Amino acid sequence: EDQVTQSPEALRLQEGESSSLNCSYTVSGLRGLFWYRQDPGKGPEFLFTLYSAGEEKEKERLKATLTKKESFLHITAPKPEDSATYLCAVRNVTDKLIFGTGTRLQVFP
Amino acid sequence: NAGVTQTPKFQVLKTGQSMTLQCAQDMNHNSMYWYRQDPGMGLRLIYYSASEGTTDKGEVPNGYNVSRLNKREFSLRLESAAPSQTSVYFCASSPLRGNTEAFFGQGTRLTVV
Repeated sequence: EDQVTQSPEALRLQEGESSSLNCSYTVSGLRGLFWYRQDPGKGPEFLFTLYSAGEEKEKERLKATLTKKESFLHITAPKPEDSATYLCAVRNVTDKLIFGTGTRLQVFP
Repeated sequence: NAGVTQTPKFQVLKTGQSMTLQCAQDMNHNSMYWYRQDPGMGLRLIYYSASEGTTDKGEVPNGYNVSRLNKREFSLRLESAAPSQTSVYFCASSPLRGNTEAFFGQGTRLTVV
């Protein structure tokens, strides 16, 4: 069964304190791993797509990496505006898109 | 460019009532999805449609039906609403089968009393 598990559930950081979010997955034929950001009351907003093990993508203070079993979202020197819920998802061979439960990040000044 | 549009944004139903949530995308996408989001549960897939004319069950299909009316529109129907269906519902669409991201609507907040 396709499954996505994210950890930790919640993370509190001081501004400038770097950390990583984890996404572990099992999927029948990975057709892409996706990271999204979701702000309260809004729909998820796309951040990154990773296709194969060893791939890395960067955007401002965020960097996503992928192995055969998990993905990490590294946040370097976060700012309060990075506070949000970060969601990980995988797409399988039938085009099914499965999400994890997310990591709620709070960055304090 | 409107992207993915969901209607209504808010709805209150009484137990046993029926309603249809509408979703339309103007990006010529092939795949469309319906999710529900509950506190602590993340986004759970209800149904999806990989292409016009096809639909498949997701993780939590019970109590719902869907229609892929055409390439643009994918509706979600609650035949007899229950309090357990109180949730925020999101529709999403994706350009191609395979390695492309999905784009989300702004959600429908449904309360069943």
